[in-house]
Amino acid sequence: EVQLVESGGGLVQPGGSLRLSCLASGFSFSSYGMSWVRQAPGKGLEWVSSISRSGISTYYADSVRGRFTISRDDSKNTLFLQMSSLRAEDAALYYCAAGATAPFHWGQGTLVTVSS
Amino acid sequence: AIQLTQSPSSLSASVGDRVSITCRASQDISSDLAWYQQKPGKGPKLLISAASSLESGVPSRFSGSGSATDFTLTISNLQPEDFATYYCQQFSRYPLTFGGGTKVQI
Repeated sequence: EVQLVESGGGLVQPGGSLRLSCLASGFSFSSYGMSWVRQAPGKGLEWVSSISRSGISTYYADSVRGRFTISRDDSKNTLFLQMSSLRAEDAALYYCAAGATAPFHWGQGTLVTVSS
Repeated sequence: AIQLTQSPSSLSASVGDRVSITCRASQDISSDLAWYQQKPGKGPKLLISAASSLESGVPSRFSGSGSATDFTLTISNLQPEDFATYYCQQFSRYPLTFGGGTKVQI
């Protein structure tokens, strides 16, 4: 069974940093690109970032480029999202998803709250 | 960025109905479109990729059609478990973008 389990969310002050993690199991993690997608409370889905299966290519939404960094550790089947200079508008449920184009499996999400 | 316009934003239907949701892209995306279903408190589920390719395990009452800029998700014989929010998403080019969503309710 494919499983994606996100962690690392929480309450952070504006300007602060957080590192999200996503532990994957049930599929060949190293064979797939991966993505992060977020959803603000009561809102729609917003793509944040994707990384190729090799890890060489990374892609970002304009709203997070320069502040967020996506990476992966295939030895640990784990995807990361390093977030810095966080803003109120970054508050959302962050989903990890398998696939860098049309993600075929999604986790349950980890909640990021940005508030002073 | 490629914009996706979904309509309607919500619709009311009954069990057994046939419903259609449309998604219009701001430019030609060939068949690089996916459809997702999201239920409250859950992550999205991929239903259809490449505009019309049904994912494994997805009931055949779901179907997708279209190409270039105009796409449709059709649910025939609506079942109680189909009441959810549906999103289209283009993967023709980055940044990936989603439609605004369509809530299907009773």
